[in-house]
Amino acid sequence: SQQGEEDPQALSIQEGENATMNCSYKTSINNLQWYRQNSGRGLVHLILIRSNEREKHSGRLRVTLDTSKKSSSLLITASRAADTASYFCAINSNSGYALNFGKGTSLLVTP
Amino acid sequence: DSGVTQTPKHLITATGQRVTLRCSPRSGDLSVYWYQQSLDQGLQFLIQYYNGEERAKGNILERFSAQQFPDLHSELNLSSLELGDSALYFCASSDDRVVGTQYFGPGTRLLVL
Repeated sequence: SQQGEEDPQALSIQEGENATMNCSYKTSINNLQWYRQNSGRGLVHLILIRSNEREKHSGRLRVTLDTSKKSSSLLITASRAADTASYFCAINSNSGYALNFGKGTSLLVTP
Repeated sequence: DSGVTQTPKHLITATGQRVTLRCSPRSGDLSVYWYQQSLDQGLQFLIQYYNGEERAKGNILERFSAQQFPDLHSELNLSSLELGDSALYFCASSDDRVVGTQYFGPGTRLLVL
């Protein structure tokens, strides 16, 4: 499957703590993207990392990519209650433009 | 706000019926993608159009079809609806000059009774 697989499926932390989500995939990729979805709403693009990049930062977000292990991680530092959402990794493989999504990690941040 | 609009927001219909979902991409984006999100299947790519032409097909049923018009808006037609077609349908757009970010609309929630 070209889909990414996120781990863990669910994560519960307290405000101020860091949250780490992992994504594994099986195919060669052009890029890997992370999206956030608040309950039943649209997907919001967070960050894109290309296959020749190893790490990217955006505000409180840090994404790493290890193409040898076919894995990526998303770190949210100093989490807030507003970060409560589902987070998806999406694979853009070398075979096209479409995104292949994993099942997502459900993050709950409690005050 | 991603700049991608979808109508309607909600649709309730009966089995066997046909519905049309509409999407307007971000200004300047030539590509439109359709995705389906359901509890059991997750987020699945259905179909992509680029500047009016079909570019890629994913897990789209034969009962479903799409098109992209000269003004670049797109419609997804779902026919002979079944209970299992109940899902969130998302449209996304990108400029695709470089393979990259897709911008998602708010989705259409379809309920088939």
